[in-house]
Amino acid sequence: ETGVTQSPTHLIKTRGQQVTLRCSSQSGHNTVSWYQQALGQGPQFIFQYYREEENGRGNFPPRFSGLQFPNYSSELNVNALELDDSALYLCASSFRLAGLNEQFFGPGTRLTVL
Amino acid sequence: DAKTTQPPSMDCAEGRAANLPCNHSTISGNEYVYWYRQIHSQGPQYIIHGLKNNETNEMASLIITEDRKSSTLILPHATLRDTAVYYCIVKDGNAGNMLTFGGGTRLMVKP
Repeated sequence: ETGVTQSPTHLIKTRGQQVTLRCSSQSGHNTVSWYQQALGQGPQFIFQYYREEENGRGNFPPRFSGLQFPNYSSELNVNALELDDSALYLCASSFRLAGLNEQFFGPGTRLTVL
Repeated sequence: DAKTTQPPSMDCAEGRAANLPCNHSTISGNEYVYWYRQIHSQGPQYIIHGLKNNETNEMASLIITEDRKSSTLILPHATLRDTAVYYCIVKDGNAGNMLTFGGGTRLMVKP
């Protein structure tokens, strides 16, 4: 059983650019969530996807968007990057949409915006 | 906003029990208490969860007070590898997967 993987591990972009981060869910999981973690803070929920549709969103602007593919892998896209978007981006997968299931987190992608 | 309050940091001697407190005085009847931890440079890792009864697994024990307004995570024999930030999270059992993280407790296990 493979765990949650994310790519790339590190990324440097400049203000105004666009970025795509990728996540492969743990085998058998059909739900993926994305979180942003600024330095020294806890992760903040961005959104989650279930069966290729967005199902729940946190307090993030529309320039944060995502996709989930039939194989349950996922992408996080951020347009018009701002300096404050510099953070660790985490994805987490679980095997159902709601309930008492635990979530499995990937190692994250460290994004630096200059 | 997080519904929990935790001390920002704690120290524990290696081999001793680490007791991490969490206050969740506004918890409602269908909300569970979850604990995750985040070791440096890694994603958060699930530890345990409970509703009102005490719970134990291979990693830790969770003690929830009778009024459910607070809980304690117990690592019975802390090791250096338990050094991490520990997050106490309150989540509705019928809701989606969104986890609301607070600041957590930075546990330092010392030799």
